[in-house]
Amino acid sequence: KQEVTQIPAALSVPEGENLVLNCSFTDSAIYNLQWFRQDPGKGLTSLLLIQSSQREQTSGRLNASLDKSSGRSTLYIAASQPGDSATYLCAAGDGSARQLTFGSGTQLTVLP
Amino acid sequence: GAVVSQHPSRVICKSGTSVKIECRSLDFQATTMFWYRQFPKKSLMLMATSNEGSKATYEQGVEKDKFLINHASLTLSTLTVTSAHPEDSSFYICSARPPGQLNYGYTFGSGTRLTVV
Repeated sequence: KQEVTQIPAALSVPEGENLVLNCSFTDSAIYNLQWFRQDPGKGLTSLLLIQSSQREQTSGRLNASLDKSSGRSTLYIAASQPGDSATYLCAAGDGSARQLTFGSGTQLTVLP
Repeated sequence: GAVVSQHPSRVICKSGTSVKIECRSLDFQATTMFWYRQFPKKSLMLMATSNEGSKATYEQGVEKDKFLINHASLTLSTLTVTSAHPEDSSFYICSARPPGQLNYGYTFGSGTRLTVV
C-alpha cells in the first residue's frame, strides 16, 4: 500500500526566501505525482503535475522534481511571498492512474 | 477547462438528519468521480469512487449505508451522509478528471464543511 510522507509538517520563512518542500513515497510504481495548494477551508488547487517519465516541471516561481528511484519529490518555491502562505499537499497517482494517495501536507507561512 | 463545482460549501445539520453534497463537472463529462474526507490538519482520505450508472466502490472501513453515493449522470455525483452524527463532522471534497486524459491532473471541488450538532 502506497504511503506518502511530507516533511516538514510546518514551515515559517521570511518573505523573499527560496524554500524546498519534501515529499516521499514508498511505492515507486507511480503513474504521476501532483502538487496541490490548499488555503484554509478551501478546496485543492493543482500546482504541478509530473508524469513518471519526467524529472521536473516548472510553473512561474514553482519547480517540482521527481526521483522515482529514491521515492522522492520536491517542490521548490523561489522568492517566496506572503500570498504563498497555504498548505501544500503532494499526491502520488497509482499505476493505473486512477487513485491518488496524499501526504499530510506542509503548512507554509511566509512572513512579510 | 476541467472545472469541478461542489455545493454546498458549508452545512450545519442536526444529529440524526441527512445531508446531501453535490459534485458537478462543469465543462467535461466525468464517468468517474472521487470522494475524499479530510480531518483537521490531516491528509485527504479516499472514501469512495463514484461510477456513472453503476454502484460506487467504497474504501475499506467506509460505511456504505452511512455514505450513500449516487452518480446518476455524467456530470453529477452526490454524497449523502445519512443519520449524521457529530463524528461525521469533517471536510468533504470531490475530484474528477476528463475521461481518457491519463496525463491530466485531477481537479478538485471547493469542498464542503459539514458540522453536525
